[in-house]
Amino acid sequence: GENVEQHPSTLSVQEGDSAVIKCTYSDSASNYFPWYKQELGKGPQLIIDIRSNVGEKKDQRIAVTLNKTAKHFSLHITETQPEDSAVYFCAASRGTGFQKLVFGTGTRLLVSP
Amino acid sequence: NAGVTQTPKFRVLKTGQSMTLLCAQDMNHEYMYWYRQDPGMGLRLIHYSVGEGTTAKGEVPDGYNVSRLKKQNFLLGLESAAPSQTSVYFCASRTRPGLGGYEQYFGPGTRLTVT
Repeated sequence: GENVEQHPSTLSVQEGDSAVIKCTYSDSASNYFPWYKQELGKGPQLIIDIRSNVGEKKDQRIAVTLNKTAKHFSLHITETQPEDSAVYFCAASRGTGFQKLVFGTGTRLLVSP
Repeated sequence: NAGVTQTPKFRVLKTGQSMTLLCAQDMNHEYMYWYRQDPGMGLRLIHYSVGEGTTAKGEVPDGYNVSRLKKQNFLLGLESAAPSQTSVYFCASRTRPGLGGYEQYFGPGTRLTVT
């Protein structure tokens, strides 16, 4: 089955710096890759997603890139702010139909003022 | 519009006790999911449902049962709780394909401790 690895497990940056979180997946048939943000005491919330027919997607300060050949995808956050501090999860699934997501183990991002 | 709600928020059980976790959504979503979240392991799918009256096993179904008698509710049951079931449980829902985006909407979670 699918296996998703996520790195790093923790990431500390200064406010205004960029942050990059990387994930690799094992199932070449996976074609949907969402990123979720989880704040303390809350459930995960989708922040951006990408399908395998595109290589990059941007939404203001966040972007996701996908390399299907290498089977890895990354989350990029520019001009980080303290409110970006949270745990970020990547995930992968075959198709967008039922969507059985396999999650990475999470990255705790700390943005210091 | 409350989205996805879960009850209870916290619960402590003794080994062998039973309980039911309730998930409710008011978005008329077809698909519903139960996950567990453990430190260093991300979220793992326990059971899921693609519509009222249907359920199926996910990645880690052992020790759990589910029911989807009403479209808006998805119940997760533990018949005989074990310490290994200490975890944070999340429910999620999404609309079916073709009706909108792909986002799964998560509830706030239930923290369960089994002693």
